[in-house]
Amino acid sequence: KNEVEQSPQNLTAQEGEFITINCSYSVGISALHWLQQHPGGGIVSLFMLSSGKKKHGRLIATINIQEKHSSLHITASHPRDSAVYICAVKDYGGSQGNLIFGKGTKLSVKP
Amino acid sequence: NAGVTQTPKFQVLKTGQSMTLQCAQDMNHNSMYWYRQDPGMGLRLIYYSASEGTTDKGEVPNGYNVSRLNKREFSLRLESAAPSQTSVYFCASSEGPGIGIKNYGYTFGSGTRLTVV
Repeated sequence: KNEVEQSPQNLTAQEGEFITINCSYSVGISALHWLQQHPGGGIVSLFMLSSGKKKHGRLIATINIQEKHSSLHITASHPRDSAVYICAVKDYGGSQGNLIFGKGTKLSVKP
Repeated sequence: NAGVTQTPKFQVLKTGQSMTLQCAQDMNHNSMYWYRQDPGMGLRLIYYSASEGTTDKGEVPNGYNVSRLNKREFSLRLESAAPSQTSVYFCASSEGPGIGIKNYGYTFGSGTRLTVV
């Protein structure tokens, strides 16, 4: 069972391009998280969403609860954005605190 | 810097050896978690502690034990390591467990890369 699906699995872009990473989920959720993981590094929380849209610098995250879909956009991409981006959802009826994670999207931005 | 500190960062064990992964947070968070990350799979929950004094099994608890030593510290123990436990382990914390519509952000540690040979 894949309750959280991300697309694409891998993405290569040229510096400056606009990037979109998609996340679809099948369960009822109370929140959706976008996380970033650099190669060999730890995991950093980018956004937590329960509705609408959030923006932080060049990153924008949107969520459509009715369609069970979220997107992470990166404007004016830069090589330092190269990382794995992970979508995770908090199942509304799930066990306390547990997140359901997607497998991640590996982004490589070439100079 | 405030956050979640994991030790060690790297470890190689022989099959059958035991070890404890340490995790500490300084954000006064109530809830703490241990996840494992394997290639081609999403992070999976091993154990969690919704609050000090409580621990519960997650999705993949077999072969592991945990101790919530105090509000700051949550350790993960492998009693008899197996090659299947080769993985990257992440500790995380949140202000609370998030029940129903109540949600909190998560802070993750930098991970422990464990190899069992």
